[in-house]
Amino acid sequence: DAMVIQNPRYQVTQFGKPVTLSCSQTLNHNVMYWYQQKSSQAPKLLFHYYDKDFNNEADTPDNFQSRRPNTSFCFLDIRSPGLGDAAMYLCATSRGRGWTEAFFGQGTRLTVV
Amino acid sequence: AQTVTQSQPEMSVQEAETVTLSCTYDTSESDYYLFWYKQPPSRQMILVIRQEAYKQQNATENRFSVNFQKAAKSFSLKISDSQLGDAAMYFCAYRTNSGGSNYKLTFGKGTLLTVNP
Repeated sequence: DAMVIQNPRYQVTQFGKPVTLSCSQTLNHNVMYWYQQKSSQAPKLLFHYYDKDFNNEADTPDNFQSRRPNTSFCFLDIRSPGLGDAAMYLCATSRGRGWTEAFFGQGTRLTVV
Repeated sequence: AQTVTQSQPEMSVQEAETVTLSCTYDTSESDYYLFWYKQPPSRQMILVIRQEAYKQQNATENRFSVNFQKAAKSFSLKISDSQLGDAAMYFCAYRTNSGGSNYKLTFGKGTLLTVNP
């Protein structure tokens, strides 16, 4: 059974139109991550939550926001998507302090038209 | 900042043979973890194997083993008896085990492995 579920698998949005990607987990993990993965590039961490504490990477554009209303769910909001934001977005979880494995969802492929 | 380098964008192997994927990393820390993750087409990334830097013994998981050279900052993955299901993108990743950044996983660019029947 899937433990980290991302919806939708594929998302097409218009240039400049806000879009939200969702992630849920059944592992009850403390930490939830959002990674951006572009073709032929390393997955890049955008931000992560440790419980309700939000940790933004220094180079994450302001255009990207996140919400974690409870342990199970985390959302990625892109306020004004540009063509350069087209990518695979990966959600992941880990147990917390001392973690030795991160669990990933299948990703959401975002297309901006 | 830590960096992870995978110098082989693509590799191929014949079924049942052995292949080694390379990874080097740069860090000034002594306490960290290294990972190999596998990402099959259209499927989620899954952990293949991990190595704690303080452990001298190389990790092994069935057909997968690593060659961890701490001084050289090298962490290669060997896949023995390759199977068609091993075809995937393989990512090498690093995380520190100290400080406030120990939740961050830093990835290499990946190596696309093709297994030929």
